Amino acid sequence: AQKVTQAQTEISVVEKEDVTLDCVYETRDTTYYLFWYKQPPSGELVFLIRRNSFDEQNEISGRYSWNFQKSTSSFNFTITASQVVDSAVYFCALEIYSGGGADGLTFGKGTHLIIQP
Amino acid sequence: DSGVTQTPKHLITATGQRVTLRCSPRSGDLSVYWYQQSLDQGLQFLIQYYNGEERAKGNILERFSAQQFPDLHSELNLSSLELGDSALYFCASSLLQKADTQYFGPGTRLTVL
Repeated sequence: AQKVTQAQTEISVVEKEDVTLDCVYETRDTTYYLFWYKQPPSGELVFLIRRNSFDEQNEISGRYSWNFQKSTSSFNFTITASQVVDSAVYFCALEIYSGGGADGLTFGKGTHLIIQP
Repeated sequence: DSGVTQTPKHLITATGQRVTLRCSPRSGDLSVYWYQQSLDQGLQFLIQYYNGEERAKGNILERFSAQQFPDLHSELNLSSLELGDSALYFCASSLLQKADTQYFGPGTRLTVL
């Protein structure tokens, strides 16, 4: 069975600092997809990024960047120059493509990010 | 706004009762997923329907059931409710059957008293 670990339960930084959220995953499948979602205080889950297991290129979107390393089974998320509006719970998730694994998204426990003004 | 709608937003009921949660997927999406978010278990996948057919089951209790209708909206039925069923229930939708981005609705907050 697959597993997603977000070891950081809560991170608190001051506005404008850079912050990295860690995500480590476990799966025996070779084809899989990784996701990050944001859950702001209002409660909805907002999609941020989707990455397949064959694409290890890092991605940057504005102040957000993602580092995917298959060698360490990690898919870390960095926010540069953090802002108060970035305060939320961030979830890393995994979906297996091939048969044999659990269906649906497997989520980590989430990291609560607090950006202090 | 993801385009996925869920009703009701909040639901308060008593133990032993039965409730129905409703979800309308994004326009054009064929796949609907249900997830439960609780403090104890975190976010857990319950069940998936694709174009009206059940496609996958996760950690869904036997007291829970779901269906997807011809217009592609879906309902999650929860019966014989227990205190532990109190949670945030999310619906998500995607175009493809698998390995596609899932867009989540705003959720239904269920409180069982």
